[in-house]
Amino acid sequence: DTAVSQTPKYLVTQMGNDKSIKCEQNLGHDTMYWYKQDSKKFLKIMFSYNNKELIINETVPNRFSPKSPDKAHLNLHINSLELGDSAVYFCASSQLGHGEQYFGPGTRLTVT
Amino acid sequence: ELKVEQNPLFLSMQEGKNYTIYCNYSTTSDRLYWYRQDPGKSLESLFVLLSNGAVKQEGRLMASLDTKARLSTLHITAAVHDLSATYFCAANRDDKIIFGKGTRLHILP
Repeated sequence: DTAVSQTPKYLVTQMGNDKSIKCEQNLGHDTMYWYKQDSKKFLKIMFSYNNKELIINETVPNRFSPKSPDKAHLNLHINSLELGDSAVYFCASSQLGHGEQYFGPGTRLTVT
Repeated sequence: ELKVEQNPLFLSMQEGKNYTIYCNYSTTSDRLYWYRQDPGKSLESLFVLLSNGAVKQEGRLMASLDTKARLSTLHITAAVHDLSATYFCAANRDDKIIFGKGTRLHILP
């Protein structure tokens, strides 16, 4: 069983479109995250949710909106996609306080 | 603000040699992590270091933590080609985890 799964794995879309990436974890963790990894491989946290509540919201454009319907899911919706949004987006989960994060396989977003 | 710096960012080394990757962090951190990322793949947790003087080893990799110096090291012993990957360290504070820029390790046969 996959611990942290993301869909889709690849996403190619045009500028101005709206898209969503889904994430699910079956580890029973209470905290989930979204990270962006750019072309230089720099990894930056975007959001963190604990028990469906937003606890970290880094400086990201408000075109990015996370949604957590339950503890096991954290989806990322992106409005009005821009070229600079092209990156690999990783979902991760952990147990708050223990910290070790388990990462999903990543979603490679390409905006043309 | 917590900042994490790794060096070197790129490392090319011969098989059989030893080397160390350094990770400095700027403020007190609850714990220190090391991750491995293969090209086109996700991140895999290697070590979690919780306290000053902590040392963990897995195969040819050994990680250590000096909280007074705010320094963690990842030591590679007798490198083999399979260890070629990007290695990230990360530190956390107040439930926020900050990653270093990663060290791209290339081991030549």
